[in-house]
Amino acid sequence: QQQVKQSPQSLIVQKGGISIINCAYENTAFDYFPWYQQFPGKGPALLIAIRPDVSEKKEGRFTISFNKSAKQFSLHIMDSQPGDSATYFCAASTPYDKVIFGPGTSLSVIP
Amino acid sequence: DVKVTQSSRYLVKRTGEKVFLECVQDMDHENMFWYRQDPGLGLRLIYFSYDVKMKEKGDIPEGYSVSREKKERFSLILESASTNQTSMYLCASSLGLGTTNEKLFFGSGTQLSVL
Repeated sequence: QQQVKQSPQSLIVQKGGISIINCAYENTAFDYFPWYQQFPGKGPALLIAIRPDVSEKKEGRFTISFNKSAKQFSLHIMDSQPGDSATYFCAASTPYDKVIFGPGTSLSVIP
Repeated sequence: DVKVTQSSRYLVKRTGEKVFLECVQDMDHENMFWYRQDPGLGLRLIYFSYDVKMKEKGDIPEGYSVSREKKERFSLILESASTNQTSMYLCASSLGLGTTNEKLFFGSGTQLSVL
């Protein structure tokens, strides 16, 4: 019940296309859903996060869509750029427990 | 900017050696964490600390211990390194507002190889 599932494991998108990464969870007590971005040789960095009281959050080209009833959330990267090539981790947590990370998605944006 | 510094980028050790991984943060954060990153498994929490001299086990504490003698420093110790501990180790910190729903700041990681 503590697991966060993430798909796909890897993704190749053409420059200018839309990248979509999906995550699912079981624990209905989760109330914070961050996405972390990791470039090669670097640690993960917080990209965007959402709480379940909203269905969508947008920051620039990055959007989180959240479906509470389906217990799913996804990251959309619009107008994907080669500089977006990185590993993306979805995660979830309750207010007083550790953050649970998904297994990660390796995104390659090709020119 | 918050800086989380891990002492080594690459480390090669032999089976049975005692290994110390050091992590320092410069933003007076209360919480510090040690994660292990393996392909296909994501980030798994080894140990965390909410205060000086305080530690709690994460999901995979076996074979590891930690030390937090000062607020800014959190050390991960492999008492007797084994080949299955070959991995990327990531240290992180967070402000510590009484909840875990807050931004994590990660170091660049230490790639440990145990031969």
